[in-house]
Amino acid sequence: QVQLVESGGGVVQPGRSLRLSCVASGFSFSNYAMHWVRQAPGKGLEWVAVISYDGSHKYYADSVEGRFTISRDNSKETLYLQMNSLRHDDTAVYYCARDRQSIAAAGIRMDYWGQGALVTVSS
Amino acid sequence: DIQMTQTPPSLSASVGDRVTITCRASQSISTFLNWYQQKPGKAPNLLIFAASSLQSGVPSRFSGSGSGTDFTLTISSLQPEDFATYYCQHSYIIPYTFGQGTKLEIK
Repeated sequence: QVQLVESGGGVVQPGRSLRLSCVASGFSFSNYAMHWVRQAPGKGLEWVAVISYDGSHKYYADSVEGRFTISRDNSKETLYLQMNSLRHDDTAVYYCARDRQSIAAAGIRMDYWGQGALVTVSS
Repeated sequence: DIQMTQTPPSLSASVGDRVTITCRASQSISTFLNWYQQKPGKAPNLLIFAASSLQSGVPSRFSGSGSGTDFTLTISSLQPEDFATYYCQHSYIIPYTFGQGTKLEIK
């Protein structure tokens, strides 16, 4: 069955960096686009970033553009989110999610999600 | 960016009730609209995609409709497991923004 397992969350000071990982199993990882979505405590969902099946196209929300980098290693079936210059308002549960499509075109839909990784930015 | 506005923000209903949640986009998005259900402490779950297509494994009491800017999610007969928060999300262009959510509570 499809599984997505995030790791790498934790407590980090403002201005520091953290890298999240999402290990995929149960499907052909290299055929699907992948997303990161976050949810601040008690708040709604915020789309963060998407990467195409082969890593050639990446797109970001304005709130993380220039600070976060999405990447993937298809040989390891793993998705990453490198988060630099972290701010208090980056505190959230970060979910990785599979897109039913291979590229970030109109009609994306996130059909499988991981359990989430909590990132807390605090001094 | 396209803004997504859900109404109501919260809703109280009873088992067996018919419930409708509305989502409005700030510009036309054709039928590029998804609905997700999220239970406390859990990841979201895709219910409806392309405004009205039921995701595999989702009960048929869930349905979606709409096009352009106005969309609805309907639950025809509420079951105890349906009490959760529901989010719409457009899938038209980047960024793929979500609505603020509708919390469905037991009356």
